[in-house]
Amino acid sequence: DTAVSQTPKYLVTQMGNDKSIKCEQNLGHDTMYWYKQDSKKFLKIMFSYNNKELIINETVPNRFSPKSPDKAHLNLHINSLELGDSAVYFCASSQRPRETQYFGPGTRLLVL
Amino acid sequence: AQKITQTQPGMFVQEKEAVTLDCTYDTSDQSYGLFWYKQPSSGEMIFLIYQGSYDEQNATEGRYSLNFQKARKSANLVISASQLGDSAMYFCAMREGTNAGKSTFGDGTTLTVKP
Repeated sequence: DTAVSQTPKYLVTQMGNDKSIKCEQNLGHDTMYWYKQDSKKFLKIMFSYNNKELIINETVPNRFSPKSPDKAHLNLHINSLELGDSAVYFCASSQRPRETQYFGPGTRLLVL
Repeated sequence: AQKITQTQPGMFVQEKEAVTLDCTYDTSDQSYGLFWYKQPSSGEMIFLIYQGSYDEQNATEGRYSLNFQKARKSANLVISASQLGDSAMYFCAMREGTNAGKSTFGDGTTLTVKP
């Protein structure tokens, strides 16, 4: 059973489109995250939710909107996609006390 | 200031030898956690090892060990008996305090194991 799953795995789209990425975890964790990994492999946190509540919202354009319908799901919606949004987006989850993060397989987004 | 610093963008090691990947961190919290993750060329992020700030012993997981020097604020990853499958990008990360979500990743070190 996949612990943290993301769909889709690949996303190729045109500039200006709106797209969503879905994430689900079956680990029973309370905290979920979205990260962006750019072409240089730098990993940057975008959002973090704890029990459906937003706890971290880094400096991310407001075209990015996370939604957590329940603590097992954290989706990411992106409006008006730009070329610079091309990256790999990782979902992760963690649990107290250690908060070791378990990552999904990543969604490779390419904006043309 | 960088919270996590990995000074080695790339490292090479001969198969079966040991290698140390450096990581230094910066925090004013007394309670924190340090992690290492591996990202092979296939792209997934794999958790390797954890060290808590109050843990007196260095963490070990199989061929991985964490050389934790609290006073120097360093948390180096040691991989013993390198294998070709260890070729990957390695990230050091820190969770500050006990709050979920406060995690920072370093820029990573690319390790290449030579046959």
